[in-house]
Amino acid sequence: DTAVSQTPKYLVTQMGNDKSIKCEQNLGHDTMYWYKQDSKKFLKIMFSYNNKELIINETVPNRFSPKSPDKAHLNLHINSLELGDSAVYFCASSPPPGQGAYEQYFGPGTRLTVT
Amino acid sequence: AQSVTQLGSHVSVSEGALVLLRCNYSSSVPPYLFWYVQYPNQGLQLLLKYTSAATLVKGINGFEAEFKKSETSFHLTKPSAHMSDAAEYFCAVGGRPYSGGYQKVTFGTGTKLQVIP
Repeated sequence: DTAVSQTPKYLVTQMGNDKSIKCEQNLGHDTMYWYKQDSKKFLKIMFSYNNKELIINETVPNRFSPKSPDKAHLNLHINSLELGDSAVYFCASSPPPGQGAYEQYFGPGTRLTVT
Repeated sequence: AQSVTQLGSHVSVSEGALVLLRCNYSSSVPPYLFWYVQYPNQGLQLLLKYTSAATLVKGINGFEAEFKKSETSFHLTKPSAHMSDAAEYFCAVGGRPYSGGYQKVTFGTGTKLQVIP
């Protein structure tokens, strides 16, 4: 069984389009994250939700909007895509503090290419 | 504030040789420390974590790391490299949670390990 899954795995689109990436975890965790990994493998947190509530919102353009319909899902919608948005986006989840010390479980990633 | 510095973006070792990947951290509170591994075209997977229980931490696949507070280091080692160890390795630091609070984990820039046959 896949613990953290993302769809799609690959996404190729043109500048200006709007796209969404979906993430689901079946670990029963309350906290979920979105990370962006650039071409140099640098991993930067974008958002974190705890039980559907936004708790971390890094300096991310407001073209990026996360949505958490329930604590097992965290989707990422991106408006007006730009070339600089090309990257691999990872979803992750973690147990609450005291139950895993922020140990995070990552999905397989979504490679977004904007042309 | 917290940060992680990984020394060496690329490390090459011969198969069977010692693996040493360096990580130094900065944290204003006693830290949680992690090492993650990323194989090509995959997500990150936890190798090991330090949570103050013991300074020498053993992880999966024969890896271990030692927390040295005086040196603010958390270097990753493996006595004998295997071809399957070739991957990207990330050190990460997280601050201790305070009541009702959540603190983010900050990742290093990664070290790519190459294993030469």
